[in-house]
Amino acid sequence: DAGVTQSPTHLIKTRGQQVTLRCSPKSGHDTVSWYQQALGQGPQFIFQYYEEEERQRGNFPDRFSGHQFPNYSSELNVNALLLGDSALYLCASSSKTSGLETQYFGPGTRLLVL
Amino acid sequence: GEDVEQSLFLSVREGDSSVINCTYTDSSSTYLYWYKQEPGAGLQLLTYIFSNMDMKQDQRLTVLLNKKDKHLSLRIADTQTGDSAIYFCADGPAFNKFYFGSGTKLNVKP
Repeated sequence: DAGVTQSPTHLIKTRGQQVTLRCSPKSGHDTVSWYQQALGQGPQFIFQYYEEEERQRGNFPDRFSGHQFPNYSSELNVNALLLGDSALYLCASSSKTSGLETQYFGPGTRLLVL
Repeated sequence: GEDVEQSLFLSVREGDSSVINCTYTDSSSTYLYWYKQEPGAGLQLLTYIFSNMDMKQDQRLTVLLNKKDKHLSLRIADTQTGDSAIYFCADGPAFNKFYFGSGTKLNVKP
């Protein structure tokens, strides 16, 4: 049973560019949440997707957007990158349908903005 | 918003017990969690406790929840060098959101 997978593992971008990160949830899960983890900090909630809709959002600007596909996989898009967007981006999956909302995390995508 | 607080560092000797503490402010969460993060890796779910329970034991791990004081702790018995990592407590879901502390770095000395 594959766990949560994310791609790419590492990414280097320059200020002003745009980036797309991808996540495939654990088998049987229908909900994907995205987190930003800055160095030395805990994960900060960006948003959650369920049934292809954004269900909840944390304190992140509109430059952060997402999408969920019919197969439950998800993308995180960040536009107009800033140096402060450098972080580990974590995807977590869970299942609303089964009522098991415990989140399982992927290995993350490490983004460096120069 | 929710505030989850943890102490930053804990150092123990191999074979001793470790106790990592966490306080939170929102009492509406369904579950409270402990995650482990090793260098360069994602978060590994260690254990979780339903918010109406007081204690949960899982092999070397014991979770204690004091709902009145909004205090959560994780006890690791017979701590090993492989337990060295950062430990995060988290609570949720509260309106589909999960909240994490800033992590406690556990250093296990041989």
